[in-house]
Amino acid sequence: DIQMTQSPSSLSASIGDRVTITCRASQSISSYLNWYQQKPGKAPKLLISAASSLQSGVPSRFSGSGSGTDFTLTINSLQPEDFATYYCQQSYSIPYTFGQGTKLEIK
Amino acid sequence: QVQLVESGGGVVQPGGSLRLSCAASGFTFSSYGMHWVRQAPGKGLEWVAFIAYHGSNDQYADAVKGRFTISRDNSKNTLFLQMNSLRTEDTAVYYCAKSRGYPTPYFDYWGQGTLVTVSS
Repeated sequence: DIQMTQSPSSLSASIGDRVTITCRASQSISSYLNWYQQKPGKAPKLLISAASSLQSGVPSRFSGSGSGTDFTLTINSLQPEDFATYYCQQSYSIPYTFGQGTKLEIK
Repeated sequence: QVQLVESGGGVVQPGGSLRLSCAASGFTFSSYGMHWVRQAPGKGLEWVAFIAYHGSNDQYADAVKGRFTISRDNSKNTLFLQMNSLRTEDTAVYYCAKSRGYPTPYFDYWGQGTLVTVSS
């Protein structure tokens, strides 16, 4: 199975900050990497597919990059609604594994 | 708009069975693969199973292989997860999710989830 490791596991930031979350795969997954946002008690929401393709309706302050084994999710100018847990997920091979999550909290 | 509504969760004893359903609307259900993804209380996301749009191809996580069966009824726009020989470690919120990007899928829409609790 492909292991997905996110860092950091938690992060404190302020409104207006720029934050970066990293996701590393245990082997190359090309660009088959997706990012989700989950708020407490809610279902995950797809933000970015194929490493950098922003989903319709997702604010442009979110961006993704990377290929191979190393990927990043960047959020520019944090807004109050961005405080949530973020997960990466590889779709290169079954089982489709997720990272352990990064909890983004208000400083 | 796309809607996925899960049902069938509840409390079951270890070794018991449960059948989850996911009613889909707002898209052509028979044209898309579907997944089940679960989340244990306070934990991360775990992919459980996938079924192709036609229902003839399915895949499972090792943790549930041989115990869970994913199926679909395209005439009723409904996805199912039959869970047998349940274990305490199967306790989780179970989400159905619509698949895009075959054969390297991502989950573009999710239901609200249904809680399964396995406990004596």
